[in-house]
Amino acid sequence: QSVLTQPPSTSGTPGQRVTISCSGSSSNIGSDYVFWYQHLPGTAPKLLIYNNDQRPSGVPDRFSGSKSGTSASLAISGLRSEDEADYYCASWDDSLTGFWVFGGGTKLTVL
Amino acid sequence: QLQLQESGPGLVKPSQTLSLTCAVSGDSIDTGGYSWSWIRQPPGKGLEWIGYIYHSGVTYYNPSLRTRVTISADSSKTQFSLTLRSVTAADTAVYYCARAVRVYYDPRGQPICYMDVWGKGTTVTVS
Repeated sequence: QSVLTQPPSTSGTPGQRVTISCSGSSSNIGSDYVFWYQHLPGTAPKLLIYNNDQRPSGVPDRFSGSKSGTSASLAISGLRSEDEADYYCASWDDSLTGFWVFGGGTKLTVL
Repeated sequence: QLQLQESGPGLVKPSQTLSLTCAVSGDSIDTGGYSWSWIRQPPGKGLEWIGYIYHSGVTYYNPSLRTRVTISADSSKTQFSLTLRSVTAADTAVYYCARAVRVYYDPRGQPICYMDVWGKGTTVTVS
């Protein structure tokens, strides 16, 4: 059971816009930044979004992040076949001594 | 370009100790502002942060694993390691190492670092 809640799967057609939600609580998303990762099994996870809505160098502007209260979203516009992957959200949880928490992951299928 | 590569035994017996190493190329683990992290993913489950070692050598662990985990840095500053004691089948997972970038210090003075570059992971089975 992951601390952050994501839908297990979503899908879209090429060119479409899809969003992936991530729900947390006041001890994590509600009080800290949100990060998003793209992961293809067998490869290294890739950082897509940091500090809620910032893109690292090299990440296309088709990917965007937002946060409101204790929830966050990743939006992918102009969907492409190579976007088919697992997507994970993450945030720092300041309960106990503090630790990173992740969502369970959302499998994106490009139809 | 920074690259990280995990290595270690793929099979560990229950109650024994799991030991993994992460080789770092393209950076040094004593570079200021960075931590060096371990994360794992059990089969069919989400990611779980294990802990990280800050460039100063101070370590920070997930409270759920704190009593069994040690992360250490090699004196060469080109690799860091994970030791997990008293393993059970629940420790079966793909283990990733990653560099983590400091975002800020929390009120306790702990550096909060997010993972930016990851290795491809190594599968460890406890059986």
